Amino acid sequence: QVQLQESGPGLVKPSETLSLTCTVSGGSVSSGSYYWTWIRQPPGKGLEWIGCISYSGTTYYNPSLKSRVTISADTSKNQFSLKLSSVTAADTAVYYCARSTVVKFDPWGQGTLVTVSS
Amino acid sequence: QSALTQPRSVSGSPGQSVTISCTGTSSDVGGYNYASWYQQYPGKAPKLMVYEVTKRPSGVPDRFSGSKSGNTASLTISGLQAEDEADYYCCSYAGSYTWVFGGGTKLTVL
Repeated sequence: QVQLQESGPGLVKPSETLSLTCTVSGGSVSSGSYYWTWIRQPPGKGLEWIGCISYSGTTYYNPSLKSRVTISADTSKNQFSLKLSSVTAADTAVYYCARSTVVKFDPWGQGTLVTVSS
Repeated sequence: QSALTQPRSVSGSPGQSVTISCTGTSSDVGGYNYASWYQQYPGKAPKLMVYEVTKRPSGVPDRFSGSKSGNTASLTISGLQAEDEADYYCCSYAGSYTWVFGGGTKLTVL
């Protein structure tokens, strides 16, 4: 079955760019019908959809984050990535990657905590 | 794009039924039959429990059921068990390839 695993720095300085990668196994990021998604959860708070990339490379972003977010895919490595620029403490969160369709997010990666602090 | 509204907490005794509501607008919950529900244990990733308002993935007990009326989607858990104690999040497609989550509901099994 499809499995996803997030990786990247756990600590990022304010004003810098957060970069995370999601490695997909058991499936292909270039397979049709799926979107490859990033979702985050600040400590003790709810889930927030960040954005996604389609199998064809089209990207869609949360309007509230759109100016700072870039999602890309590397089909040769079967990975997709998140870049979030100009981070502040408010961007401290557990970041999840997930496979999605219009109707569901499933499965999810285990999540990775990113702390924004100097 | 505002978060969907869920009660912060609900509770019930073993064997009872509880319902968690998720209220949005005609631009998200009310406009599409694409509401989904996720169960999350502390420190763990969310798990899909219901999608397309009423459908259950393979392996999810039929004690979990979903419904929708107008701009409000609901998750009902019947025959409550101790293992159901968790946080639950709703989500809806909001058009233009965007999605919105609810704020989450903490379920306590008394």
